[in-house]
Amino acid sequence: QKEVEQDPGPLSVPEGAIVSLNCTYSNSAFQYFMWYRQYSRKGPELLMYTYSSGNKEDGRFTAQVDKSSKYISLFIRDSQPSDSATYLCAMSEETSGSRLTFGEGTQLTVNP
Amino acid sequence: EAQVTQNPRYLITVTGKKLTVTCSQNMNHEYMSWYRQDPGLGLRQIYYSMNVEVTDKGDVPEGYKVSRKEKRNFPLILESPSPNQTSLYFCASTRWSGGRNEQFFGPGTRLTVL
Repeated sequence: QKEVEQDPGPLSVPEGAIVSLNCTYSNSAFQYFMWYRQYSRKGPELLMYTYSSGNKEDGRFTAQVDKSSKYISLFIRDSQPSDSATYLCAMSEETSGSRLTFGEGTQLTVNP
Repeated sequence: EAQVTQNPRYLITVTGKKLTVTCSQNMNHEYMSWYRQDPGLGLRQIYYSMNVEVTDKGDVPEGYKVSRKEKRNFPLILESPSPNQTSLYFCASTRWSGGRNEQFFGPGTRLTVL
């Protein structure tokens, strides 16, 4: 069983929709939770970074962490075609980031 | 421009022919790592380096070697490539700031081993 599970999709939504992306994990020692965005033929780039449980908002993006359920989410409001990408969740036990565990990634397409 | 560069971007080779993928960063980061990305498996860490001359295995180190003789460079070496090492490879360097770490990824190297 994978340490981090993420539905690979693909997920296709109309422009303006609210998108919900999710990951579950089994390692209770994970404390740092990240979302990366990867455009086609590019390397991943950090989108959101959260520590422990709670919510974090940045513009149209909201990251949620529920450590009791071992479940993290990324919400995208008013989705745009430019949001079309693969979204990867990532987790770490400590801030050094020496061991980062990624989900498989969810491929998202936002249709105009 | 702050960046991580990798070379080559694309490589087709044959089983057993030694190859090196170079990685360089201009951000003075101490921590660097290598990942491979495969369909259905996502990104998996191969090796990482906390600083010059300090390297350690990640989750899938078998068949790979690394070296860190300079802070900016972190080459990935495949001594005897095999077809199961056909993959998309990413180098990354990490910045720590305000209690959080951010990994900056290179553009990727697509390797095919025949």
